[in-house]
Amino acid sequence: KAGVTQTPRYLIKTRGQQVTLSCSPISGHRSVSWYQQTPGQGLQFLFEYFSETQRNKGNFPGRFSGRQFSNSRSEMNVSTLELGDSALYLCASSFYRSSYNEQFFGPGTRLTVL
Amino acid sequence: SQQGEEDPQALSIQEGENATMNCSYKTSINNLQWYRQNSGRGLVHLILIRSNEREKHSGRLRVTLDTSKKSSSLLITASRAADTASYFCATDPTVQGAQKLVFGQGTRLTINP
Repeated sequence: KAGVTQTPRYLIKTRGQQVTLSCSPISGHRSVSWYQQTPGQGLQFLFEYFSETQRNKGNFPGRFSGRQFSNSRSEMNVSTLELGDSALYLCASSFYRSSYNEQFFGPGTRLTVL
Repeated sequence: SQQGEEDPQALSIQEGENATMNCSYKTSINNLQWYRQNSGRGLVHLILIRSNEREKHSGRLRVTLDTSKKSSSLLITASRAADTASYFCATDPTVQGAQKLVFGQGTRLTINP
């Protein structure tokens, strides 16, 4: 089985721009979760999608949004980028809800905001 | 704040030695998971231990869970250079509506040849 893929792997944007990141889960997995990882804050949960519905959301401003398509692929969008949004964005997939079983992580998208 | 707190933040040992990392958490949980991350890459799942389990093994890994102390430990025996990575515990709080994994800050493990 192919693993979780994320595109793009690296991204450089400037403040005020918006960005869309994509995640393709492992075939058959219905849950996709997104995390932001920074040296200062560590790994922070953004949101989880299951069967095209957002099931949970972390403590992030409304500039962070996401969606899941019928094929379980997911996208997250960050609007009006700020310098502090520079981070490694990780997505993870699992067959069922993320907290019930192991998650399979993608390699991440490294976002740099200038 | 993070639910899980790993201890120590960094650990450096010689190849062949055992490495022990600890995780403490604040609220009751359904399960606890351990993940490994090699520098700047995705996380790899190691072990999931449920709240009604006390110990679990997987190869050279041994995880314990003490729900009364709200703590867990990860033991890696006979360490290898390839074990150099950051290790994170992640908890699944029982708080209604939570249903998400909460990661700790991680332990940076370095295995010296």
